[in-house]
Amino acid sequence: DIQMTQSPSSLSASVGDRVTITCRASQGIGNSLAWYQQKPGKAPNLLLYDASRLESGVPSRFSGSGSGTDYALTISSLRPEDSATYYCQQYYSVPLTFGAGTKVEIK
Amino acid sequence: QVQLQESGPGLVKPSETLSLTCSVSGGSISSNYWSWIRQPPGKGLEWIGCISDSGKPNYSPSLKSRVAISVDTSMNHFSLTLRSVTAADTAVYYCARYPAGLRWLDHWGQGALVTVSS
Repeated sequence: DIQMTQSPSSLSASVGDRVTITCRASQGIGNSLAWYQQKPGKAPNLLLYDASRLESGVPSRFSGSGSGTDYALTISSLRPEDSATYYCQQYYSVPLTFGAGTKVEIK
Repeated sequence: QVQLQESGPGLVKPSETLSLTCSVSGGSISSNYWSWIRQPPGKGLEWIGCISDSGKPNYSPSLKSRVAISVDTSMNHFSLTLRSVTAADTAVYYCARYPAGLRWLDHWGQGALVTVSS
């Protein structure tokens, strides 16, 4: 199985800050990576796929980058509604695997 | 707009079988791949498995001996069966859709909490 390591596990930032979450795969995954946002009591919501492609309807302050084993999700200017837990997921090989999540809190 | 809705018992006894159904509306279940994912309380997401548009399942190795996913095209729903459950199987169970092969998940159900307890 491909292991996905996310960091940090949590962070606290102010409105307007630039926030970056990283995800490292245990082997190369060829940009086969998605990012999800999950708010308490809700299902995850797809933000990006193919590492950097923005899902329709997702604000442009979210962006993705990376290649090989290392990927990042960046929120360019944090908003209060971005308080959530973020997960990466690889689909390079089965079983599909998720990172452990990064909880983003607003100061 | 595709919508998914999980249904099934919220309480299952240890050693018994957990069964959930995901009803799909706004689209045909005969296209796309479909998946089950679970999330223990306060923890992260775990992929359980999926079923293809042709009905071929694929399971997580850690659950493969206990799990089955099937599809009923006449009812436009797919189902999850997990045998011999323990307290460790207590989780919110989500069904979800892959829009383009076995890749990312773009539509999710609201989730169904299943508690394993006597």
